[in-house]
Amino acid sequence: ELKVEQNPLFLSMQEGKNYTIYCNYSTTSDRLYWYRQDPGKSLESLFVLLSNGAVKQEGRLMASLDTKARLSTLHITAAVHDLSATYFCAVDDAGGTSYGKLTFGQGTILTVHP
Amino acid sequence: NAGVTQTPKFQVLKTGQSMTLQCAQDMNHEYMSWYRQDPGMGLRLIHYSVGAGITDQGEVPNGYNVSRSTTEDFPLRLLSAAPSQTSVYFCASSPSDGRSYTFGSGTRLTVV
Repeated sequence: ELKVEQNPLFLSMQEGKNYTIYCNYSTTSDRLYWYRQDPGKSLESLFVLLSNGAVKQEGRLMASLDTKARLSTLHITAAVHDLSATYFCAVDDAGGTSYGKLTFGQGTILTVHP
Repeated sequence: NAGVTQTPKFQVLKTGQSMTLQCAQDMNHEYMSWYRQDPGMGLRLIHYSVGAGITDQGEVPNGYNVSRSTTEDFPLRLLSAAPSQTSVYFCASSPSDGRSYTFGSGTRLTVV
């Protein structure tokens, strides 16, 4: 059974600081997704990582995937208040193709303070 | 493009009632799936489908039925609602290459 674990689950940051959210998963997979969710809203796709070594950046966020370590990271650079949200990683555990289903981590609640 | 459309957005049911949550997508995606979101537990897979006429169970299927008669629609049926089914339900669709998953806006269900 695929398990996906995020840490930390709660993250309180000061504006301008850097931090990393970690996503570990238990099976071999090269398909990992990062989402953002604001309170009461749906999931917004941030990054899709589809191969070992994949690195993607958008604004102050950068995501990477190491399939051998079964680890993805979401790095936040110079945090701003607008980044406050819940961040989820999710894994599609098919190898080479997709099964059309995701296993999610518990989510990381990020709060950025002035 | 509307993407993935879920209806209703909010629903209150009494214990024992049945209802259907609707999900429709207009992106011609082969795959569709249902998740429930409970506080502190992320999203958990209920049922999924890889094409019309094909469905399978996810992690938490008990109390829910699905069918997929068309590519566009994937309704989720609650047979006899229980308070434990109080949750937020999300439908998602994806192409067969898994390059993206698109989520609907969600249905907030309360069972009293």
